[in-house]
Amino acid sequence: DSGVTQTPKHLITATGQRVTLRCSPRSGDLSVYWYQQSLDQGLQFLIQYYNGEERAKGNILERFSAQQFPDLHSELNLSSLELGDSALYFCASSVGVGEIGTDTQYFGPGTRLTVL
Amino acid sequence: GQNIDQPTEMTATEGAIVQINCTYQTSGFNGLFWYQQHAGEAPTFLSYNVLDGLEEKGRFSSFLSRSKGYSYLLLKELQMKDSASYLCAVRDHYGGSQGNLIFGKGTKLSVKP
Repeated sequence: DSGVTQTPKHLITATGQRVTLRCSPRSGDLSVYWYQQSLDQGLQFLIQYYNGEERAKGNILERFSAQQFPDLHSELNLSSLELGDSALYFCASSVGVGEIGTDTQYFGPGTRLTVL
Repeated sequence: GQNIDQPTEMTATEGAIVQINCTYQTSGFNGLFWYQQHAGEAPTFLSYNVLDGLEEKGRFSSFLSRSKGYSYLLLKELQMKDSASYLCAVRDHYGGSQGNLIFGKGTKLSVKP
């Protein structure tokens, strides 16, 4: 158990809908990262927040948005869902901004999103 | 561009040694990580290299050559529970996004009795 929690574990929805994925980082970690993992693409970095501020952006679609709240939990919002958005969504957390030394990213158990 | 290559699949025998290679071409380099991921589960951290050479941690070792853009993960005394995907990830170093991890697609290791 990494200490990172994600809810829900599974989500099944229809095309065109909007969903919210939630992540709570490990105690003491200030950074939260979101990743998408599909069968053919591997783990793709979406976005990072550090202490409430957006820190880095990766391959995140405009239909997707995220935020980190004062209690440091984060939410990833996915809208106008398409079949291709079906994937495992992982959140990870680290103590710092992830630039120095190990500053390991610890991953949560993931949310499996199925879009029908 | 950013590119990380690993073999897609490998098979090895219980008790043996296996080496999983990773080559990378990234715009910057600020460390290389190996993660283990069992099917449907979260990736878990195995090792970190930022300087050239070998880092040993129990049955697992990881090697880095920055000049060659090359790393390997060595697993000794293989156990059935080592059957998993092994992900190589490079921490890039550019602009204000220096903490990003760029992951390879992973190597699926099957350990046979």
